[in-house]
Amino acid sequence: SQQGEEDPQALSIQEGENATMNCSYKTSINNLQWYRQNSGRGLVHLILIRSNEREKHSGRLRVTLDTSKKSSSLLITASRAADTASYFCATDVRGSTLGRLYFGRGTQLTVWP
Amino acid sequence: GAVVSQHPSWVICKSGTSVKIECRSLDFQATTMFWYRQFPKQSLMLMATSNEGSKATYEQGVEKDKFLINHASLTLSTLTVTSAHPEDSSFYICSARYRRQGSGNTIYFGEGSWLTVV
Repeated sequence: SQQGEEDPQALSIQEGENATMNCSYKTSINNLQWYRQNSGRGLVHLILIRSNEREKHSGRLRVTLDTSKKSSSLLITASRAADTASYFCATDVRGSTLGRLYFGRGTQLTVWP
Repeated sequence: GAVVSQHPSWVICKSGTSVKIECRSLDFQATTMFWYRQFPKQSLMLMATSNEGSKATYEQGVEKDKFLINHASLTLSTLTVTSAHPEDSSFYICSARYRRQGSGNTIYFGEGSWLTVV
Protein backbone atom coordinates (compact mmCIF):
# COMPACT_ATOMS: atom_id res chain seq x y z
CA SER A 1 0.00 0.00 0.00
CA GLN A 2 1.18 3.52 -0.68
CA GLN A 3 -0.83 4.84 2.16
CA GLY A 4 0.94 6.99 4.66
CA GLU A 5 1.12 6.20 8.31
CA GLU A 6 0.69 8.81 10.98
CA ASP A 7 1.77 8.61 14.53
CA PRO A 8 0.64 8.94 17.11
CA GLN A 9 -2.86 7.70 16.38
CA ALA A 10 -4.12 9.84 19.19
CA LEU A 11 -2.62 12.82 21.00
CA SER A 12 -4.02 14.58 24.01
CA ILE A 13 -2.50 17.84 25.25
CA GLN A 14 -3.31 20.98 27.21
CA GLU A 15 -3.99 24.34 25.62
CA GLY A 16 -0.81 26.25 25.01
CA GLU A 17 1.29 23.17 24.45
CA ASN A 18 2.74 22.22 21.11
CA ALA A 19 1.42 19.25 19.16
CA THR A 20 3.63 17.23 16.85
CA MET A 21 2.31 14.65 14.44
CA ASN A 22 4.40 12.51 12.16
CA CYS A 23 3.71 10.91 8.82
CA SER A 24 5.67 8.30 6.93
CA TYR A 25 5.10 7.17 3.38
CA LYS A 26 6.45 4.58 1.03
CA THR A 27 7.06 5.92 -2.46
CA SER A 28 8.42 8.96 -4.27
CA ILE A 29 6.16 11.93 -4.10
CA ASN A 30 5.49 15.22 -5.88
CA ASN A 31 4.22 16.80 -2.70
CA LEU A 32 2.76 16.03 0.69
CA GLN A 33 -0.27 17.74 2.13
CA TRP A 34 -1.76 18.00 5.57
CA TYR A 35 -5.49 18.17 6.14
CA ARG A 36 -7.67 18.71 9.13
CA GLN A 37 -11.06 17.11 9.68
CA ASN A 38 -13.47 18.03 12.40
CA SER A 39 -15.68 15.18 13.54
CA GLY A 40 -18.17 14.26 10.85
CA ARG A 41 -17.11 17.07 8.55
CA GLY A 42 -15.18 17.52 5.35
CA LEU A 43 -11.49 18.11 4.92
CA VAL A 44 -9.77 21.43 5.38
CA HIS A 45 -6.50 21.85 3.52
CA LEU A 46 -3.79 23.12 5.85
CA ILE A 47 -0.53 23.15 4.02
CA LEU A 48 1.28 21.64 1.02
CA ILE A 49 5.00 20.98 0.93
CA ARG A 50 6.71 20.08 -2.31
CA SER A 51 9.26 17.32 -2.60
CA ASN A 52 12.07 19.84 -3.06
CA GLU A 53 11.13 21.76 0.09
CA ARG A 54 12.27 20.88 3.57
CA GLU A 55 10.24 23.16 5.77
CA LYS A 56 7.20 25.34 5.46
CA HIS A 57 5.32 27.61 7.84
CA SER A 58 1.78 28.86 7.91
CA GLY A 59 0.68 30.74 10.99
CA ARG A 60 1.01 28.35 13.94
CA LEU A 61 1.73 25.44 11.65
CA ARG A 62 5.17 24.18 10.77
CA VAL A 63 5.67 21.29 8.39
CA THR A 64 8.90 19.51 7.65
CA LEU A 65 9.65 17.01 4.95
CA ASP A 66 12.53 14.55 4.82
CA THR A 67 12.39 12.74 1.50
CA SER A 68 15.38 10.57 2.37
CA LYS A 69 13.45 9.15 5.31
CA LYS A 70 10.10 9.46 3.53
CA SER A 71 8.65 11.25 6.48
CA SER A 72 6.97 14.51 7.38
CA SER A 73 5.96 16.21 10.59
CA LEU A 74 3.28 18.72 11.42
CA LEU A 75 3.84 20.96 14.41
CA ILE A 76 1.03 23.06 15.83
CA THR A 77 2.39 25.61 18.25
CA ALA A 78 0.49 27.13 21.14
CA SER A 79 -2.43 24.81 20.61
CA ARG A 80 -6.01 25.82 21.30
CA ALA A 81 -9.10 23.82 22.15
CA ALA A 82 -10.39 24.69 18.68
CA ASP A 83 -7.49 22.72 17.19
CA THR A 84 -9.17 19.52 18.36
CA ALA A 85 -9.68 17.48 15.19
CA SER A 86 -8.25 14.65 13.15
CA TYR A 87 -5.19 15.47 11.10
CA PHE A 88 -4.29 13.56 7.97
CA CYS A 89 -1.27 13.59 5.75
CA ALA A 90 -1.82 12.89 2.08
CA THR A 91 0.73 12.22 -0.59
CA ASP A 92 0.65 13.14 -4.24
CA VAL A 93 2.56 10.15 -5.52
CA ARG A 94 4.91 10.53 -8.44
CA GLY A 95 3.54 8.75 -11.49
CA SER A 96 0.06 8.46 -10.09
CA THR A 97 -3.10 9.99 -11.52
CA LEU A 98 -2.91 13.78 -11.29
CA GLY A 99 -4.85 14.88 -8.24
CA ARG A 100 -5.15 11.48 -6.64
CA LEU A 101 -4.08 11.57 -3.01
CA TYR A 102 -3.08 8.77 -0.70
CA PHE A 103 -4.17 9.39 2.86
CA GLY A 104 -2.65 8.26 6.09
CA ARG A 105 -4.75 6.94 8.94
CA GLY A 106 -4.76 10.19 10.76
CA THR A 107 -3.95 11.49 14.21
CA GLN A 108 -6.79 12.39 16.51
CA LEU A 109 -5.72 15.49 18.41
CA THR A 110 -7.54 16.54 21.55
CA VAL A 111 -6.63 19.86 23.12
CA TRP A 112 -7.98 20.37 26.64
CA PRO A 113 -8.82 23.87 27.80
CA GLY B 1 -11.63 30.82 -4.00
CA ALA B 2 -12.57 27.58 -5.68
CA VAL B 3 -15.32 25.66 -3.95
CA VAL B 4 -16.62 22.16 -4.30
CA SER B 5 -20.19 21.57 -3.25
CA GLN B 6 -21.45 18.17 -2.26
CA HIS B 7 -25.10 17.30 -1.88
CA PRO B 8 -26.81 15.98 0.12
CA SER B 9 -24.85 16.47 3.32
CA TRP B 10 -26.62 13.53 4.83
CA VAL B 11 -29.17 11.02 3.66
CA ILE B 12 -31.03 8.12 5.16
CA CYS B 13 -32.40 5.47 2.85
CA LYS B 14 -33.98 2.07 3.11
CA SER B 15 -32.15 -1.10 2.23
CA GLY B 16 -32.52 -1.97 -1.41
CA THR B 17 -33.04 1.54 -2.61
CA SER B 18 -30.58 3.69 -4.54
CA VAL B 19 -29.22 7.05 -3.51
CA LYS B 20 -27.40 9.66 -5.55
CA ILE B 21 -24.73 12.01 -4.26
CA GLU B 22 -23.65 15.03 -6.28
CA CYS B 23 -20.28 16.71 -6.41
CA ARG B 24 -20.14 20.08 -8.05
CA SER B 25 -17.25 22.41 -8.75
CA LEU B 26 -18.80 25.84 -8.33
CA ASP B 27 -16.41 28.21 -10.03
CA PHE B 28 -14.01 26.09 -11.98
CA GLN B 29 -14.05 23.26 -14.46
CA ALA B 30 -12.88 19.92 -13.17
CA THR B 31 -11.93 17.33 -15.74
CA THR B 32 -11.15 14.92 -12.94
CA MET B 33 -13.00 14.29 -9.72
CA PHE B 34 -12.31 11.68 -7.08
CA TRP B 35 -14.67 9.79 -4.81
CA TYR B 36 -13.50 8.64 -1.39
CA ARG B 37 -15.14 6.66 1.34
CA GLN B 38 -14.42 7.00 5.01
CA PHE B 39 -15.58 4.74 7.81
CA PRO B 40 -15.76 6.19 11.31
CA LYS B 41 -12.37 6.92 12.81
CA GLN B 42 -10.62 5.64 9.71
CA SER B 43 -8.79 7.11 6.78
CA LEU B 44 -10.13 8.13 3.40
CA MET B 45 -10.01 5.36 0.84
CA LEU B 46 -10.25 6.19 -2.83
CA MET B 47 -13.16 4.45 -4.52
CA ALA B 48 -12.87 5.75 -8.05
CA THR B 49 -11.54 8.44 -10.31
CA SER B 50 -14.19 10.21 -12.33
CA ASN B 51 -13.18 11.62 -15.70
CA GLU B 52 -15.40 13.97 -17.66
CA GLY B 53 -16.81 12.33 -20.74
CA SER B 54 -15.42 8.89 -20.07
CA LYS B 55 -15.88 5.93 -17.78
CA ALA B 56 -14.73 6.13 -14.21
CA THR B 57 -11.70 4.21 -13.08
CA TYR B 58 -12.47 2.09 -10.04
CA GLU B 59 -10.08 0.97 -7.37
CA GLN B 60 -9.57 -2.69 -6.73
CA GLY B 61 -12.36 -4.17 -4.70
CA VAL B 62 -14.90 -1.45 -5.50
CA GLU B 63 -17.95 -2.78 -7.36
CA LYS B 64 -18.57 -0.55 -10.34
CA ASP B 65 -22.12 -1.84 -10.77
CA LYS B 66 -22.92 -0.94 -7.21
CA PHE B 67 -21.26 2.45 -7.11
CA LEU B 68 -22.22 4.13 -10.37
CA ILE B 69 -20.26 7.22 -11.24
CA ASN B 70 -21.27 9.69 -13.90
CA HIS B 71 -19.23 12.73 -14.86
CA ALA B 72 -21.39 14.20 -17.55
CA SER B 73 -20.13 17.76 -17.39
CA LEU B 74 -17.00 19.63 -16.38
CA THR B 75 -18.62 20.76 -13.15
CA LEU B 76 -20.63 17.76 -11.97
CA SER B 77 -19.90 14.21 -10.97
CA THR B 78 -22.45 11.94 -9.34
CA LEU B 79 -22.08 8.81 -7.27
CA THR B 80 -25.09 6.52 -7.11
CA VAL B 81 -25.11 3.79 -4.52
CA THR B 82 -27.41 1.16 -5.96
CA SER B 83 -29.37 -1.37 -3.94
CA ALA B 84 -27.93 0.08 -0.79
CA HIS B 85 -27.28 -2.13 2.24
CA PRO B 86 -26.49 -1.18 5.82
CA GLU B 87 -22.80 -1.96 5.25
CA ASP B 88 -22.77 0.85 2.65
CA SER B 89 -23.42 3.32 5.44
CA SER B 90 -20.42 5.59 5.45
CA PHE B 91 -19.09 9.08 4.83
CA TYR B 92 -18.55 9.74 1.14
CA ILE B 93 -16.42 12.66 0.08
CA CYS B 94 -15.44 13.95 -3.31
CA SER B 95 -12.58 16.06 -4.52
CA ALA B 96 -12.01 17.96 -7.73
CA ARG B 97 -8.81 18.78 -9.50
CA TYR B 98 -8.42 22.37 -10.58
CA ARG B 99 -5.76 23.01 -13.10
CA ARG B 100 -4.66 26.61 -12.86
CA GLN B 101 -2.52 27.73 -15.75
CA GLY B 102 1.05 28.15 -14.68
CA SER B 103 0.38 27.00 -11.13
CA GLY B 104 -0.13 23.30 -11.50
CA ASN B 105 -2.95 21.34 -9.94
CA THR B 106 -4.92 22.11 -6.81
CA ILE B 107 -7.31 19.71 -5.16
CA TYR B 108 -10.49 20.90 -3.50
CA PHE B 109 -12.66 18.70 -1.32
CA GLY B 110 -16.39 18.72 -0.86
CA GLU B 111 -17.94 18.76 2.59
CA GLY B 112 -18.85 15.11 2.39
CA SER B 113 -22.09 13.18 2.52
CA TRP B 114 -23.21 10.93 5.35
CA LEU B 115 -25.15 7.92 4.10
CA THR B 116 -27.12 5.81 6.53
CA VAL B 117 -28.88 2.75 5.18
CA VAL B 118 -31.59 1.36 7.43
